Amino acid sequence: EPEVTQTPSHQVTQMGQEVILHCVPISNHLYFYWYRQILGQKVEFLVSFYNNEISEKSEIFDDQFSVERPDGSNFTLKIRSTKLEDSAMYFCASSPLRGNQPQHFGDGTRLSIL
Amino acid sequence: GENVEQHPSTLSVQEGDSAVIKCTYSDSASNYFPWYKQELGKRPQLIIDIRSNVGEKKDQRIAVTLNKTAKHFSLHITETQPEDSAVYFCAASVRTYKYIFGTGTRLKVLA
Repeated sequence: EPEVTQTPSHQVTQMGQEVILHCVPISNHLYFYWYRQILGQKVEFLVSFYNNEISEKSEIFDDQFSVERPDGSNFTLKIRSTKLEDSAMYFCASSPLRGNQPQHFGDGTRLSIL
Repeated sequence: GENVEQHPSTLSVQEGDSAVIKCTYSDSASNYFPWYKQELGKRPQLIIDIRSNVGEKKDQRIAVTLNKTAKHFSLHITETQPEDSAVYFCAASVRTYKYIFGTGTRLKVLA
């Protein structure tokens, strides 16, 4: 069964540094998402992306965050100047069609800001 | 605003007993409700989902019910097994198909 793949599995970064999280969605999927999960808390929506543009973003997704689909397979999340509170698990997800479809999640990247 | 409440936060059951987790959503435009199981350090995995035009759906030991009028939906696990132990998240899909997740239920099945 095809899977969403995320790299790296764990990223440790100094506060103030830029970080890029990588995701390869399932190949025939058209909708892409980033969510984050602070340790012990619920999964929170960050941003959705379709047709090479952001569909919706949450209050968490401020000017420090950006997403990009640099080629036909990758979907990246960039945090420009990391803060301690950015420490969390970041999940990428994708779904195949427009409309309510199951979203398939990757294994996540654990981001630790020191 | 958009919100999903989930109860209980923790649930312990004896192996073989049933477990019920309940969620309430706020946005009446929500029309798709997935349930995810998350084991420690792993990705959320879809276990069952229900659309708003259906009142109940069952898949072996797992069932989900939806009451659109009350904006409630519930997960039912029968004949629980130790491998059912995990954190379970409900979610509601709103207009642009983003998921609003509940706060999670930590289920412990005691052998």
